[in-house]
Amino acid sequence: GNSVTQMEGPVTLSEEAFLTINCTYTATGYPSLFWYVQYPGEGLQLLLKATKADDKGSNKGFEATYRKETTSFHLEKGSVQVSDSAVYFCARTEGRDDKIIFGKGTRLHILP
Amino acid sequence: DAGITQSPRHKVTETGTPVTLRCHQTENHRYMYWYRQDPGHGLRLIHYSYGVKDTDKGEVSDGYSVSRSKTEDFLLTLESATSSQTSVYFCAIGDRGGYTFGSGTRLTVV
Repeated sequence: GNSVTQMEGPVTLSEEAFLTINCTYTATGYPSLFWYVQYPGEGLQLLLKATKADDKGSNKGFEATYRKETTSFHLEKGSVQVSDSAVYFCARTEGRDDKIIFGKGTRLHILP
Repeated sequence: DAGITQSPRHKVTETGTPVTLRCHQTENHRYMYWYRQDPGHGLRLIHYSYGVKDTDKGEVSDGYSVSRSKTEDFLLTLESATSSQTSVYFCAIGDRGGYTFGSGTRLTVV
């Protein structure tokens, strides 16, 4: 089964609202954790990452903290913009080759 | 994005025909990956390569083969396309620090 679980979408918010997209993972050891973003018609882009427990990744106003005790890596942003509308994927490394496996994605709609 | 290109960008093919998708990188990266993206499934790994002539299977490898004869090129072949292989295919390069993705190939099997 999928070892990265993220909240179902779509998520619809008004501009300037606070955003949280939940992500939990199952893993042995200490995987690296990622958030990727996909804008319409494009490939995925790395948004932020964290490589060890208690690390906080941040980029473009988005943040996520590597929580080993709750095996979570929730994405947050204090004030979303219409331009943040996209699909967001949580991901982690897996296996001896450190392949990256992805959650199913959460579509975010921001209304003006 | 600069550094990784996929071709073709769009393709329509008939059931039972062979299809080859190409991924080309200019970053001299050792690791390359093929994923497919489908609604409700996110991205699923098909095959990956950790060097020239070194490849391995991913989660959904049945019906697909790959080849890597040069560092810069990673080919994905559908030996006999089926309608279930209609999808958007993404190539990526990278390692545990993160991946860079191509822009994708939209494949329709009719």
